[in-house]
Formats: sequence, structure tokens, C-alpha cells
Amino acid sequence: SQKIEQNSEALNIQEGKTATLTCNYTNYSPAYLQWYRQDPGRGPVFLLLIRENEKEKRKERLKVTFDTTLKQSLFHITASQPADSATYLCAHPNTGGFKTIFGAGTRLFVKA
Amino acid sequence: DTEVTQTPKHLVMGMTNKKSLKCEQHMGHRAMYWYKQKAKKPPELMFVYSYEKLSINESVPSRFSPECPNSSLLNLHLHALQPEDSALYLCASSQDEVRTSGNTIYFGEGSWLTVV
Repeated sequence: SQKIEQNSEALNIQEGKTATLTCNYTNYSPAYLQWYRQDPGRGPVFLLLIRENEKEKRKERLKVTFDTTLKQSLFHITASQPADSATYLCAHPNTGGFKTIFGAGTRLFVKA
Repeated sequence: DTEVTQTPKHLVMGMTNKKSLKCEQHMGHRAMYWYKQKAKKPPELMFVYSYEKLSINESVPSRFSPECPNSSLLNLHLHALQPEDSALYLCASSQDEVRTSGNTIYFGEGSWLTVV
């Protein structure tokens, strides 16, 4: 069955460093992957979408890559700030594309 | 600020109560969703409405009853819930159903439900 995994449950980094979060998928080749940010007690907020024919996408300090050979997406936050502390969710459509499946998320803590 | 509005933000109800969660969006989106999220878990899809018609029910117990009065509104009627139903209930919308490649899902802030 389709599986989407975010490798780390939590990630602690120092302010100013680059945070790298990983999303792996198995038994499936999604047409695209999405990344969302969720703050405690709030709904997820869409950040970036990358399609299978795109290697990299950028938005301000955010960068996402999509490696269909490794079946992996990496999400980078450069020059991280304490305000970046949140849970980051990877998501992709299921087979048939009629619903979005979310990974368990990685909780990022950026220390000042 | 999210453009999907949910009320109430917090709800405490007894197991014999009947209550409703409400959701509204004015982005002209044709698909609306209910998700359930437990602590430290990802959102889990419950229902999808497309063009005001129920298109997906993820085998949700009948004590949860969705309703889409019009293209902007989505309700979730709750009756005879169990304590394990306590969770954050998220309403969301997208331009069209997810099957259209790359539809962004816009979430509301959620309604915290506690069943006592």
C-alpha cells in the first residue's frame, strides 16, 4: 500500500542554520508533493508544491526538491529563525488522485 | 489569516448531546472537506463535498453527519459521540477536487471538540 514517511519526528537546530526535512514515499509515484506548515492548535498552511518533472522549487528562504529516483522530497529552510518553529507536513495525492494523504509531520524547533 | 472560517473554536459536549460545527469559505472553491486530527498525528480525511454533493465518505461512523447547504457552507452534525472522538476538526476547501493536479487545500483554524 502507499506509504509516506517523514523521517524525523522532531528536529532541533540553531538559529541561522539550514533546516532540512525529509519526506519519503513508497509503492507509489505521486504526480506532485506538497509541503504545509502547522502551528500548534491551528490548521495547516500551504507552503510549496513541486511536480514530478520539477527538480527544485524555491520561495523566499524555502526550497523543496523532488527526487523520483530516490522517491524522496527534501524541504530546506535557510537562515532559520525561531519563528520557523512549527510542524511541517508533507502531502501527496493517493492513487487516482482523489484525496490528499499527509505524512505524520516533523516538529522543527529553532533555538535562538 | 485563513479564508476558511470555522465556528465554534472550542466545543465541549456530553455523549448524549447534539451539536454542529460550521464552516464557511468565500473563495468560490467548489470542493470542501472535513478532516479530523488527533494530537501529534496528521489530519485524516473524513468527508469531501464537490459541487455541493458528497463525493467521499471515509467510512466515518454515522454519529458524524455532514451537510453542505450551499457552495460556501459546510456543517458537521454531531450526535451521540464518544470520548475518543475528542479531536481538532478541520474544515478545508480547494478550487476543485484534489483529482485536479496540484490543488492547494486551504484549511480553517479548526474546532477543538471535547466529548465528556
